[in-house]
Amino acid sequence: DAGITQSPRYKITETGRQVTLMCHQTWSHSYMFWYRQDLGHGLRLIYYSAAADITDKGEVPDGYVVSRSKTENFPLTLESATRSQTSVYFCASSEGGKSTEAFFGQGTRLTVV
Amino acid sequence: GNSVTQMEGPVTLSEEAFLTINCTYTATGYPSLFWYVQYPGEGLQLLLKATKADDKGSNKGFEATYRKETTSFHLEKGSVQVSDSAVYFCALNPSGGYQKVTFGTGTKLQVIP
Repeated sequence: DAGITQSPRYKITETGRQVTLMCHQTWSHSYMFWYRQDLGHGLRLIYYSAAADITDKGEVPDGYVVSRSKTENFPLTLESATRSQTSVYFCASSEGGKSTEAFFGQGTRLTVV
Repeated sequence: GNSVTQMEGPVTLSEEAFLTINCTYTATGYPSLFWYVQYPGEGLQLLLKATKADDKGSNKGFEATYRKETTSFHLEKGSVQVSDSAVYFCALNPSGGYQKVTFGTGTKLQVIP
């Protein structure tokens, strides 16, 4: 399927466990992003990537790790999940120009218990 | 740094009412401006955009004009429908090479029959 897909859509994990959220896009967009969405905070950027093997921190990177070995994939790993990381996570991609929009996945709802 | 300020929600309107959601921004140079919409349980999707001053973006009956003099990009629709109920995000892509997109905190719109 064309577009950007996230998996899983829903995930419940325990405090301290490692969990990886997957993101795959089919457009070969250079830029990919991870956001978290929390009530009262809107969207906050966690990490972004300008190309394969190039990643950079966003506004709230602590507790998260990313990698981008292939252009189309951008997994987000919570190394040791905490309850404060309970959130809805969105992956997005973009060609990266000033005039270009971002395309978002459907989100992953993560609950840390 | 760059910032986007949106009016606080939620906004509740009756069907066929006129909608305005205010958005102002702070940025150097000439950013591109966007409105994204998020329907319940989904990711964000582009609603409209404007890439230079005095441009008007429009889509699905929604309009917004890029006002450089007032640094604003207010979203309007003449007659809302129940199906317009969603969260609306104003955003900017800065000028001068790619930088991180800045989102507003979102405004929830509820349209009642």
